[in-house]
This record gives sequence, structure tokens and C-alpha cells, in this order.
Amino acid sequence: NAGVTQTPKFRILKIGQSMTLQCAQDMNHNYMYWYRQDPGMGLKLIYYSVGAGITDKGEVPNGYNVSRSTTEDFPLRLELAAPSQTSVYFCASSYSGGAGGSTDTQYFGPGTRLTVL
Amino acid sequence: AQSVAQPEDQVNVAEGNPLTVKCTYSVSGNPYLFWYVQYPNRGLQFLLKYITGDNLVKGSYGFEAEFNKSQTSFHLKKPSALVSDSALYFCAVSPNTGFQKLVFGTGTRLLVSP
Repeated sequence: NAGVTQTPKFRILKIGQSMTLQCAQDMNHNYMYWYRQDPGMGLKLIYYSVGAGITDKGEVPNGYNVSRSTTEDFPLRLELAAPSQTSVYFCASSYSGGAGGSTDTQYFGPGTRLTVL
Repeated sequence: AQSVAQPEDQVNVAEGNPLTVKCTYSVSGNPYLFWYVQYPNRGLQFLLKYITGDNLVKGSYGFEAEFNKSQTSFHLKKPSALVSDSALYFCAVSPNTGFQKLVFGTGTRLLVSP
């Protein structure tokens, strides 16, 4: 299993440009997540999905959009890039067989380092 | 709302010595607690978690953590540090009611010197 994969590894955007960060997992996990990691700030949840066709906002969703058309893929879209979106982005997935995902180990991708100039 | 505090930005320890990385939490009800490790330019890797039961949890690479409800703490420990343990360590918490999102601490950098 490849686990959780993310592309690209690095990207530089100009203000106002748009891009999609790709995330895929091959573990048949039903839950997927997008986080951003800023220096000294830990990880902040942007969006999450509990299954194909179902997404919800996390702590810092402004400026981002997501979709989940398949179990495997969970792309993150930046429509109008801003310098405040300079960060490292991590995708994660987990499997929940119960009512919630609180106890489930999340598996992380290697990250995408995004710089907006 | 739940929160996690990792009071030390950095912990320095000599190889072979015991190490402790501190974590305290605040959550309504009983917590689910996690430790993750991040090596340079890598994603987070799961180390261990406390869900219920024995307060001492053993995890990967010889790490363990002790859940202390009265002190609301979940400190990460290892009896003998290795240089290869040098990394960034994150504590995370989630309440045990329904689907609640993990909240991460700000991380503690562990430096193990030879």
C-alpha cells in the first residue's frame, strides 16, 4: 500500500492564482482530512469528509474548497491564493466503523509546501 | 472547546538518558489522547493513543505515555533516548462523545545529543 499520497510536494503561486492540491489514499478509509501547519502553531483542520459525497468545514475553511467524489480522493482547492495561505498542507485519512472518528488513528501524507508571493 | 498545551518548545536530552515530553489537555468529558511524531520534511506518524483502560500506554519505538486524569496530563516518555528520536512531537486530544475533531498541540522539538 502506498498509504496517503499528496501532489505536488512544492508549489509557488502568485497572489490571485488558483490551484488544486491532490490527495489520495489506498487504504479504503472512509474519513479524510485536510490540515495546514504553520510554524509554531500546530495543525489546524481545514475540511474533512466522512465519506464520498459528504464534506464539512473544520477550524479554518475560509479560502478553500473540497470535494469527495470517490472514497480514494480528496482534493483541496484554493481559488484566489493569498499570502496568508502560505503553509504546509497535510492530508490524512482514517477508518471509522462506529458512530464517530474520534478514536481512530489518522494516517498522514508527506505534505505539500505552498508559498504564495 | 478542547485544547492541548505542550509547555516546552524544545527538550534537550543526552543519548541514553530518559526523556519526557509534556502534554496537558482540556476537554469536556473523558478524552481520547494521541501522540504523533514528525520527522523533517515528512508527514505525522502515529506513536500511541489512550482510549480507555490502563493509564500506561505503550507505543511504537519504545515510547510510552501515562494518562493522569487528575492532572489532565498525558506525558510522553522513553527510558533511554536515541539520537534518531530527534524530531517534532505533537500531542492531540478529542472528546469521547460523537464525532469530534482532533485538536493538536503546537509541538515540542526533541533534540537528542550523542
